Amino acid sequence: SQQGEEDPQALSIQEGENATMNCSYKTSINNLQWYRQNSGRGLVHLILIRSNEREKHSGRLRVTLDTSKKSSSLLITASRAADTASYFCATVGGGFKTIFGAGTRLFVKA
Amino acid sequence: ETGVTQSPTHLIKTRGQQVTLRCSSQSGHNTVSWYQQALGQGPQFIFQYYREEENGRGNFPPRFSGLQFPNYSSELNVNALELDDSALYLCASSSSGTGGLSYEQYFGPGTRLTVT
Repeated sequence: SQQGEEDPQALSIQEGENATMNCSYKTSINNLQWYRQNSGRGLVHLILIRSNEREKHSGRLRVTLDTSKKSSSLLITASRAADTASYFCATVGGGFKTIFGAGTRLFVKA
Repeated sequence: ETGVTQSPTHLIKTRGQQVTLRCSSQSGHNTVSWYQQALGQGPQFIFQYYREEENGRGNFPPRFSGLQFPNYSSELNVNALELDDSALYLCASSSSGTGGLSYEQYFGPGTRLTVT
């Protein structure tokens, strides 16, 4: 079974608005990553946050991590139509295994 | 672009047959992981290879097997195909330290397998 669970499952917003996606997980982690997937093709790595970090920024992306609540959020500011995709959180624990959630499907209307 | 390539792009097989999927890792990466992604779901970890050795395995039966070659290319083999094996198969390469701890992964475009 998958460890990460994203919320919401789907999100529809207007271009220019901000999009927030949340991820919860169950066990301790080494790091948490966010990926984007367009049209069922390969995933693109967006950002990695380590367990001892609380917030990280990359361009229009802002990720937070709360290890006490076992949750993370991804904020995309000033969304564009090109941001339309599925977004997945992935957790890496004490070893080799990366566990993905079921994803949030984001649709940005032009 | 990531530099990870997979072949073939699409494949149709019949139940009971065997299939081999191939992946060429990004230059300099010593770790490859394989994932199965069913429609509408997130990728599920199949296994990982680090320096040609299987480094870990997810909840998949033994009929899913793999190889990693000295040039870090990789194969996923599936025997006795079942209808539920229909999915997008993704490989991802990364550069890991001792023990194969994975950091960010670079994914290939995937192979879409349909089992009829």
